[in-house]
Amino acid sequence: RKEVEQDPGPFNVPEGATVAFNCTYSNSASQSFFWYRQDCRKEPKLLMSVYSSGNEDGRFTAQLNRASQYISLLIRDSKLSDSATYLCVVNEEGYSTLTFGKGTMLLVSP
Amino acid sequence: SQTIHQWPATLVQPVGSPLSLECTVEGTSNPNLYWYRQAAGRGLQLLFYSVGIGQISSEVPQNLSASRPQDRQFILSSKKLLLSDSGFYLCAWSVSAGLLYGYTFGSGTRLTVV
Repeated sequence: RKEVEQDPGPFNVPEGATVAFNCTYSNSASQSFFWYRQDCRKEPKLLMSVYSSGNEDGRFTAQLNRASQYISLLIRDSKLSDSATYLCVVNEEGYSTLTFGKGTMLLVSP
Repeated sequence: SQTIHQWPATLVQPVGSPLSLECTVEGTSNPNLYWYRQAAGRGLQLLFYSVGIGQISSEVPQNLSASRPQDRQFILSSKKLLLSDSGFYLCAWSVSAGLLYGYTFGSGTRLTVV
C-alpha cells in the first residue's frame, strides 16, 4: 500500500503566527489531494482541496509540488480555533479509495 | 442537502459480545460508503468500502464484517468483540470514488470493549 507521510507534531505556535505543514506521498500518479481538519474526539472535516496551480481560502493556502511529490498547507494569522489535527489525503492511481495521513497536530496558544 | 447519520455515539460492550453499528445517508443516490476505525492516538484505518448494494470490499482481515442491505445504509458488525476492537468508528460517503469532493464523515461511534 502506498504511503502518505506527515510530521506528527505537535506544532506549538502563538496566536498570529504563520505555520506550514508538509505532506509527502509515494505514488507519482496520484490525482486528487485534500486537507482535512479533525478536532479532538470529532470526525474529520474537509478543509480544502489542493489544485495543481495552488489555491487559497482566506488564511489558508494549499500548494502541490508534483515533481517532489509533496503537498503543503500554510495557515496565516493563526487563531486559537485553528488548534486541531490536520490530515493530508491523497488518491492513488489504481486504488478506488483515498489514503489519509496520520495527521499533524497544531496547538495555537494565546 | 446530503446528510450522514451514525449511531450510537458511544458504546461500551463486554469482550465476546456482538456489535452492530449503523450508518445511513440521506439526500443522494448510489453513494460510495466507507467504514474507518481510528484507535487512540492513531491514524484512520480503512476497514470496508462499498460501491453498491451487496458489494463489500474488505481492506483489513479481522473479526469485523460489513453489509449494505440498502443503497444508503451501511452496517458494521461483529459476532464476538475483542479488546483490540476498541476505537472510534467512522462512516463516510462520497460521490463516486471521492476524487472531486473527497469524503464526508459521520459523527462517529466511540466503542470501548471492556
